[in-house]
Amino acid sequence: EAGVTQSPTHLIKTRGQQATLRCSPISGHTSVYWYQQALGLGLQFLLWYDEGEERNRGNFPPRFSGRQFPNYSSELNVNALELEDSALYLCASRIYGTKQETQYFGPGTRLLVL
Amino acid sequence: DQQVKQNSPSLSVQEGRISILNCDYTNSMFDYFLWYKKYPAEGPTFLISISSIKDKNEDGRFTVFLNKSAKHLSLHIVPSQPGDSAVYFCATSLIQGAQKLVFGQGTRLTINP
Repeated sequence: EAGVTQSPTHLIKTRGQQATLRCSPISGHTSVYWYQQALGLGLQFLLWYDEGEERNRGNFPPRFSGRQFPNYSSELNVNALELEDSALYLCASRIYGTKQETQYFGPGTRLLVL
Repeated sequence: DQQVKQNSPSLSVQEGRISILNCDYTNSMFDYFLWYKKYPAEGPTFLISISSIKDKNEDGRFTVFLNKSAKHLSLHIVPSQPGDSAVYFCATSLIQGAQKLVFGQGTRLTINP
């Protein structure tokens, strides 16, 4: 069974540009989560999507947004990029509505803002 | 406000011995706890989990212990192997409600031959 996939693996942008990161969950998983791991910091929760809707967001500015498509894949958009947005962005998926709480992570997209 | 703390940034253990990684949390409402292993530039790999109704869960070389009164979680790896060298994150969540994972800062485990 294929795991969570993310694209691209690396992304280089300049300040002020927009970045789009993509995630495909494990087949059968309906919930997608986004996390940010900035250099030297732990994993911080960004966004949670389920059934096409945003269910919760972390303490990040509105220029971090996303969406979930009918096939449960997801996009994370970061507008007006700032240098401190450079980080590893991780996507995770799980089956929502069951007692299976484990989130399974993809390999991440490393975003570098110059 | 660090709700989940891993107070040891690093740990070095001899191959074949036991590795013990610790984690403390502040919110007594957390009811699901997980350990992930992470290599550089890769996503976290799920290792083992435990719900708040249990105090121990074992899977092969990995055992997680939960002490709810102390709000303390630990991961035991025995015997430790060189391939266990990685950063280990503990994470907690609420089964109901926000569903997000709250992570500790991680502990870098090095297994020495």
